[in-house]
Amino acid sequence: DTEVTQTPKHLVMGMTNKKSLKCEQHMGHRAMYWYKQKAKKPPELMFVYSYEKLSINESVPSRFSPECPNSSLLNLHLHALQPEDSALYLCASSQDLATGGYEQYFGPGTRLTVT
Amino acid sequence: ELKVEQNPLFLSMQEGKNYTIYCNYSTTSDRLYWYRQDPGKSLESLFVLLSNGAVKQEGRLMASLDTKARLSTLHITAAVHDLSATYFCAVDTTDKLIFGTGTRLQVFP
Repeated sequence: DTEVTQTPKHLVMGMTNKKSLKCEQHMGHRAMYWYKQKAKKPPELMFVYSYEKLSINESVPSRFSPECPNSSLLNLHLHALQPEDSALYLCASSQDLATGGYEQYFGPGTRLTVT
Repeated sequence: ELKVEQNPLFLSMQEGKNYTIYCNYSTTSDRLYWYRQDPGKSLESLFVLLSNGAVKQEGRLMASLDTKARLSTLHITAAVHDLSATYFCAVDTTDKLIFGTGTRLQVFP
């Protein structure tokens, strides 16, 4: 199984809502990532988890809160978002992080619209 | 700060023609990836280049890496419409990937 799954595929939320994005992989990977991608732009790294611990936070606003409940799951909790947060949110995983050189596998993404 | 630049940003080419996309980066790295992205879709891995001089080929696409020049190329041979997509290179800095600006490729008859 070389698949990363993400739910939901689409999400529309108001600025006062609380919602969560979910990502799952069963490849035994120990590194998981959240990226944000705006239209016609490259993906931008948000968070990296390594062995279920937050390894990198790219100065992301606190209205985005990541969580890694176990080695297969990665969540992104959303609260009080702004319209400019509308984007495609991509999850990825890789075998490890420490030495690099491990290919990242991307999920299908969640298309988020904040109204 | 590491910068990864792709050239050109937009490429419109006729079917059957050849062309090369360039990816330049500003710091030392010997690991680079190429991805394809169709509109509204996720990233599909094309090539993994893990050493200086690495060359990989798949169908009409061939990628190479020159770590001394900090340059990777993605060569398209005899383009077909199905290759129309956005192509990203990404440089591995050990703990994260830095993506290039992307090249939007459009192949017309």
